[in-house]
Parts: sequence; structure tokens; C-alpha cells
Amino acid sequence: DIQLTQSPSSLSASVGDRVTITCRASETIYTYLNWYQQKPGEAPKLLIYAASSLHSGVPSRFSGSGSGTDFTLTISSLQPEDFATYYCQQSYYTPLFSFGPGTSVDVK
Amino acid sequence: QITLKESGPTLVKPTQSLTLTCSFSGFSISNSGEGVGWIRQPPGKALEWLAVVYWDNDKRYSPSLGTRLAITKDTSKNQVVLTMTNMHPVDTATYYCAHSPYDGYTKYFDYWGQGTLVAVSS
Repeated sequence: DIQLTQSPSSLSASVGDRVTITCRASETIYTYLNWYQQKPGEAPKLLIYAASSLHSGVPSRFSGSGSGTDFTLTISSLQPEDFATYYCQQSYYTPLFSFGPGTSVDVK
Repeated sequence: QITLKESGPTLVKPTQSLTLTCSFSGFSISNSGEGVGWIRQPPGKALEWLAVVYWDNDKRYSPSLGTRLAITKDTSKNQVVLTMTNMHPVDTATYYCAHSPYDGYTKYFDYWGQGTLVAVSS
């Protein structure tokens, strides 16, 4: 089975910071990589699909890049509402969908 | 506007089966490209994908749970049902259903239900 790893597992940042989260796949998944944001007590929300496409309604400070095995989620200027856990997910290999372990972004 | 809502028991006993229903609006799962999936999250842990069904009745299951899972769709009721057999305490989690479109290239979960917490305990 394909494995997704995320780094870092957690990070502390301040409002206005540029934040970068990395997701690495154990095998190539081309651009079949999605990113989600989850706040405590809430359902996840789709941010980015197909590695770099911004989901409708998601602020433009979020961006995704990468292909093959290495992917990045970037928040250009962290806002108070962005403190959350972020998950990557692949949709190429069996299992059809699998999630990374998550990256928690908290207040510095 | 797409909305989804999960319903089912909040408590099941070990070895029993769990049946969860996802009721949705804003799309028809009989239309090409439409699908609904199930994802769960144990308290304090990461998301785990369980199963998905598409408009053409293509069904996929997590290999680690596959023999315990069954997913069905009822097009007339706008519902998708997930059944999980032989429940264990480790299956205690919040269970989410989510809309999964196929845009001709990739699949993802773009709209989610609020989730339902299921505890497994005697």
C-alpha cells in the first residue's frame, strides 16, 4: 500500500507568517493529491485538489504544488482562522483514498 | 447547495454490526460523476478512509477493513448506507460521509457531513 508522510507533524506560527507543509508519497501519485483543513470539533474541509487546484470559496492565500512524490501546501500569510490540522490525501493507488497523518498548526 | 448528514446509533456492543445512513441533497448519485464516501476518525487521531460508491455502482473499500464493510446506494431516497460488521472498541470514532465527484481526472471529497460519533462498548 502507498504511504503518505507529512512534515512537520506540528508547527507553531504567528499571524502573518508564511507556512509550508510537505506531503511525501512512497510511490509516484502524479498529481492525485488533495489537501484538507480540519478544526477541532468540525468536519474536514477541502482546500486543494489535484495538487494545485483551489477549491471553490477557499482563500487565495492557500496554494498547493508538486507532482510525483513530493507535494507542498503553502499558506502565504497565516490568519487567525487558519490554526487547524491539515491532511493530505492521495486518490491514485489502492486503497483508492488514503490520508496522511496530519500536520497541526498552532499559535506560537 | 450540497449537504450531507449522517445518522445511526451512537452506541453499539462489541461483535454487533453498525449501519450508518448518509442522507444528502443538492445532487443525484444517479448522475454521471457523482459519488459518496465514508471516512472515520477515532478520537484524537487521523482520518481513515473506509469506502466509496459511484454513480455507476463502482464500489471501493479500504483493504484493511474490506471484508467487514458493505456500501450501498438508494438513488430514489438520496441515501448511501454503510454497514460494518463485527464491531470492536477500536472502531469507536466519528464517522463522516462526504460527496466525492469524479471530474474526469481525479476524485476527492468536497462536501462533508457533520459526522456522527459511534462508541463501541459493552
